Amino acid sequence: AQSVTQPDIHITVSEGASLELRCNYSYGATPYLFWYVQSPGQGLQLLLKYFSGDTLVQGIKGFEAEFKRSQSSFNLRKPSVHWSDAAEYFCALRTGTASKLTFGTGTRLQVTL
Amino acid sequence: EPEVTQTPSHQVTQMGQEVILRCVPISNHLYFYWYRQILGQKVEFLVSFYNNEISEKSEIFDDQFSVERPDGSNFTLKIRSTKLEDSAMYFCASSPSGRWTGANVLTFGAGSRLTVL
Repeated sequence: AQSVTQPDIHITVSEGASLELRCNYSYGATPYLFWYVQSPGQGLQLLLKYFSGDTLVQGIKGFEAEFKRSQSSFNLRKPSVHWSDAAEYFCALRTGTASKLTFGTGTRLQVTL
Repeated sequence: EPEVTQTPSHQVTQMGQEVILRCVPISNHLYFYWYRQILGQKVEFLVSFYNNEISEKSEIFDDQFSVERPDGSNFTLKIRSTKLEDSAMYFCASSPSGRWTGANVLTFGAGSRLTVL
């Protein structure tokens, strides 16, 4: 069965520092991968997605993610974090023709000034 | 920007009571979903709905749960007799279609927090 692992439950970075959030997946074929962000009181907002093609995908708010098949990873990065990026980040996997997403447990990002 | 709206934002209920969570999907979307997140756990798929019927459901979605599109705009999740373990954040989502192309992704609502006492 497919699964998504986000190894870091909680990460704290200083404003202006770079950020990398880890995501590993388990699936036998090419997956469709997503990163969502949830700010307090808000819904899950799509940051970016990977379906096929270029393995480095750009998203909103200056985020990017790189799909690495050899490592079964889809890590999220941002070169310079802003205080408003503090939120919970979810990696998700959609497989084949199924209509459901499989989510990781999320990583809570705290930004210090 | 179009959004998915959910009501109520928070509901507290007694064990054994019926609860209905409401969602208004984006107007031109055709596929609707419910997910839930128990505190500290993963966001989990419950059910997907298309053309007035369930297209897929998880093992969590047992006979205590039902979904309905009672009119042209609302999409509801009913829990018939709530249990303590139903306490969670419930997310509604919609998508233009069920096909996974580059243009088709799920848009989520802000969630409804259900607390069962």
